[in-house]
Amino acid sequence: EDKVVQSPLSLVVHEGDTVTLNCSYEVTNFRSLLWYKQEKKAPTFLFMLTSSGIEKKSGRLSSILDKKELFSILNITATQTGDSAIYLCAVKNAGGTSYGKLTFGQGTILTVHP
Amino acid sequence: NAGVTQTPKFRILKIGQSMTLQCTQDMNHNYMYWYRQDPGMGLKLIYYSVGAGITDKGEVPNGYNVSRSTTEDFPLRLELAAPSQTSVYFCASSYPRREDVSTDTQYFGPGTRLTVL
Repeated sequence: EDKVVQSPLSLVVHEGDTVTLNCSYEVTNFRSLLWYKQEKKAPTFLFMLTSSGIEKKSGRLSSILDKKELFSILNITATQTGDSAIYLCAVKNAGGTSYGKLTFGQGTILTVHP
Repeated sequence: NAGVTQTPKFRILKIGQSMTLQCTQDMNHNYMYWYRQDPGMGLKLIYYSVGAGITDKGEVPNGYNVSRSTTEDFPLRLELAAPSQTSVYFCASSYPRREDVSTDTQYFGPGTRLTVL
């Protein structure tokens, strides 16, 4: 059974701090890893990672995948109060009956204080 | 495109009542999913569908039923509601193609917050 574990479960920082969110996974036939940001409503897509060592970047957010060690990190620099959200990590299995399904971690709740 | 829409946004049920959560997508996606999210937790897959007429169980299907008569609609039925079904329910859709990993992304609706008292 595929498994995704995120850490920390919650994090409280002040504006301007840099944070690193972790996602480790076990999947029988890895295809991709996705990061989502969830504010009050639906999760919105941030990044998709498929290859080790290639950083994906969008503004102050960046993410990288290590397929050997089976983890990914999401970095947020110069945090703002608008970064407060739940950050979800999910993996996609390439194989068989699991195709099309994502397995989600429990999420990291990030709170950024002014 | 409206994307994925869900109704209602909020609902309070009494124990033992039943209801249907509606989900519609206008992106012509073949895959559709129902998740539940409990407070402070990630998303757990209830049921999913790979196309009209085809549905399958996810991690937590007990107490729920689904149907998929059209590509656009994927309603979730709760029979005999229980307090353990108090949660936020998200519908999602995707059009995954094996040859294009960028299609792995799922698109989510705004959610339905359900309370069972």
